[in-house]
Amino acid sequence: DGGITQSPKYLFRKEGQNVTLSCEQNLNHDAMYWYRQDPGQGLRLIYYSQIVNDFQKGDIAEGYSVSREKKESFPLTVTSAQKNPTAFYLCASKGQGFNQPQHFGDGTRLSIL
Amino acid sequence: QKEVEQNSGPLSVPEGAIASLNCTYSDRGSQSFFWYRQYSGKSPELIMFIYSNGDKEDGRFTAQLNKASQYVSLLIRDSQPSDSATYLCAVTSFTSGTYKYIFGTGTRLKVLA
Repeated sequence: DGGITQSPKYLFRKEGQNVTLSCEQNLNHDAMYWYRQDPGQGLRLIYYSQIVNDFQKGDIAEGYSVSREKKESFPLTVTSAQKNPTAFYLCASKGQGFNQPQHFGDGTRLSIL
Repeated sequence: QKEVEQNSGPLSVPEGAIASLNCTYSDRGSQSFFWYRQYSGKSPELIMFIYSNGDKEDGRFTAQLNKASQYVSLLIRDSQPSDSATYLCAVTSFTSGTYKYIFGTGTRLKVLA
């Protein structure tokens, strides 16, 4: 089935550790996005990529890094510089065309040990 | 002024009633409008989209768009307890060469059995 797969579902980070969240899609979508959602809050854009080998910072990029080496994959690294990483992380993708909606994966819940 | 505004709620309606959720946006050039449903602890799920002024119906859901007044609504007829969730409005615009996909912070709906 076509869709967006995020892994792992739950992730724990130790102090000073970098962790990487995986996002893979088989929808042949060009654009991919990472959002952060804190409890009871809306979605905040971390990074987005419109095409392979290109990505742009969103509203809260500090402490995060991404890569886009393949169309299907857009991993997010939460670095030790991100002092408050506990949140629900959502990956989304969008097809070509201005009117296309974003579709979401199931999310990764990150907590600090 | 926020780019996309929603009343955070909670909006409480009795089972079987019509729930009316509203969203206003600031960019007059906005072109596409989406409604997502997000259950607690889950990722957002696309339920409706609308591009043209007027109403669009899909089962128990009706999206209404009024570009002159810059608002988009979602009506849920015959509300069920399973409709209890947070509803996110998203708006796209293409301004000054930049494409934006902006989410509201969501309205929490509670359907009382």
